[in-house]
Order: sequence, then C-alpha cells, then structure tokens
Amino acid sequence: EAEVAQSPRYKITEKSQAVAFWCDPISGHATLYWYRQILGQGPELLVQFQDESVVDDSQLPKDRFSAERLKGVDSTLKIQPAELGDSAMYLCASSFGQGVDEKLFFGSGTQLSVL
Amino acid sequence: RKEVEQDPGPFNVPEGATVAFNCTYSNSASQSFFWYRQDCRKEPKLLMSVYSSGNEDGRFTAQLNRASQYISLLIRDSKLSDSATYLCVAPGGYNKLIFGAGTRLAVHP
Repeated sequence: EAEVAQSPRYKITEKSQAVAFWCDPISGHATLYWYRQILGQGPELLVQFQDESVVDDSQLPKDRFSAERLKGVDSTLKIQPAELGDSAMYLCASSFGQGVDEKLFFGSGTQLSVL
Repeated sequence: RKEVEQDPGPFNVPEGATVAFNCTYSNSASQSFFWYRQDCRKEPKLLMSVYSSGNEDGRFTAQLNRASQYISLLIRDSKLSDSATYLCVAPGGYNKLIFGAGTRLAVHP
C-alpha cells in the first residue's frame, strides 16, 4: 500500500536553531498538506499545496516558517529560528484532489522537541 | 464557539460495550465529514466518511444530524484494539477541513 513518507521521525533542537522536515506524498497525489498537532489538540493546517502552488498558508507563521514544493512532488517545511512553543508533531498529508471531500493520507509525522 | 467540537473524554468502557461519540460543527453549509482514528503518538488514519444517509462499516456506524449540526460515531462490541483517539473532521470557513481535538476511548478487559 502506498504511503506518505516523512523524515526525520524525531527531531530535538535548541531554540534559535533551524530545523527542516521532508515529505514525499503518495505518487499521483496533487495536493500536499503540512499540519501541526500540539499534544491534546487536533491537527491544525499550516500550509496546503496544489502541485507546486500554495493554496492556503493563512496559518503559517511566515516570520519563521517556510514551505516549498518546487517540483510539485516532495516538500520541505523549515523553521528558523525555532522557539520553545514550536514543540509539536508535524504531520504531512496528501490527497488526490483538493476539495474538502478528499480523504487525507498522513505520514508518520515528525515529533519536534525544542529545548 | 469552535468550528468543530468534541468531548475529550476519556470514555472508559469494558470490552463488548457499545459506545457513541458526538461531534458538533458550526458551518451549516458543510457537506463532507470524516472520522479519523489516531493512536498515541501516531498519525491519524481515516476510519470512515460520513454521508448524509449515514455510513456503516462492520462494528462502526457514523450518522449525520444536519438539523442539530452534529455527527456521531457508534462503536458496537468494543475491542481492546479500539482504544485510541477519534478525531472528527468537518469543513470550516474558506473551504478548509477542520479537525476536532479528539475524543479518547479506553477499552478495558
């Protein structure tokens, strides 16, 4: 069964350092999402791509977060500089289309701890 | 009011019990709803879609109540392996999917 690949699985960093997460969606899925999930809460959308274009980044803290999907396939999410409040699970998901009726397939996530 | 609200639980039930969770949503125009299951420190996985006519998959039944703006998930004959957090998903403003905070289920022997 095709899966969304994410790396690293865990990341520990000190505040003010830069971190980067990578995601490779299911082949053929045009839509890619980055979510942040704080313990005890539901996933919150950070950014949504349709192919290589950003569809929604309204909740992305653009002063420190950036995301790209240059060739419309895999994607990178970067945080620079990291802050203590960024500690969370960062989840990548993909879907075939971009409508709200699309089923999302999630990667295993990156658990980030900022010390 | 949050766009998608769930009772956080935990719901502690014995094996074999029937348990139901509700989830309220605020966007009355919403058409698509989902239940995802999330194990501790793992990724969410799609459990089932919720159709206007309801949806049943084995021991799991999902219902939609448009008048009261909530969806429900019923689990019959609970198994130990059903212990997880169940996330409700509904469209919010700007055509964006919103996840609830989840309802935790613990099934005990």
